[in-house]
Amino acid sequence: DAKTTQPPSMDCAEGRAANLPCNHSTISGNEYVYWYRQIHSQGPQYIIHGLKNNETNEMASLIITEDRKSSTLILPHATLRDTAVYYCIVRVQRSGGGADGLTFGKGTHLIIQP
Amino acid sequence: DSGVTQTPKHLITATGQRVTLRCSPRSGDLSVYWYQQSLDQGLQFLIQYYNGEERAKGNILERFSAQQFPDLHSELNLSSLELGDSALYFCASSADTTNEQYFGPGTRLTVT
Repeated sequence: DAKTTQPPSMDCAEGRAANLPCNHSTISGNEYVYWYRQIHSQGPQYIIHGLKNNETNEMASLIITEDRKSSTLILPHATLRDTAVYYCIVRVQRSGGGADGLTFGKGTHLIIQP
Repeated sequence: DSGVTQTPKHLITATGQRVTLRCSPRSGDLSVYWYQQSLDQGLQFLIQYYNGEERAKGNILERFSAQQFPDLHSELNLSSLELGDSALYFCASSADTTNEQYFGPGTRLTVT
């Protein structure tokens, strides 16, 4: 899996959009970008993933640059409950037989300020 | 609620002992994964089972073993416990055709 680089921490005001960057300059053509988050000591939570097109779901939006070397996770209206460590993971997507284990880095600790 | 359940929530035991952690995956998920999260090592993948068979191994110690039963629940067995095994242990599951993993609430193991 390609290596990712994320800032160790970020602050965002409540109600504003939180934009979390991730650099993955060595990403391969068949690798997807996944985002998970972990709220203090809870189990990690899947957020979103994408290959090259921008993706949006009820939790967040994922913007992937055209060269796929970086991406941004956007939480459109951050709340205090969004305070968590956010992990950007790049991996091959497999069909059938289950996916491989995830390799977590240190992630970005996002702190939402009231 | 992810649909993945883990028991027990907390476990306190002494060095040298053996413990078993249990995980029930989401309904219909064939894959089960085990992860360890300690303060110094972060979240580490230990092992994966798919439909009862071991499929992938990560940084799992020889003192640790796992299995997945016909009803798809899984158990992680930790033996000859050391102080450094104190950690949060998470189980995750995924469906056959998707790659998203859904994590349980974890078991906090304290070895004294």
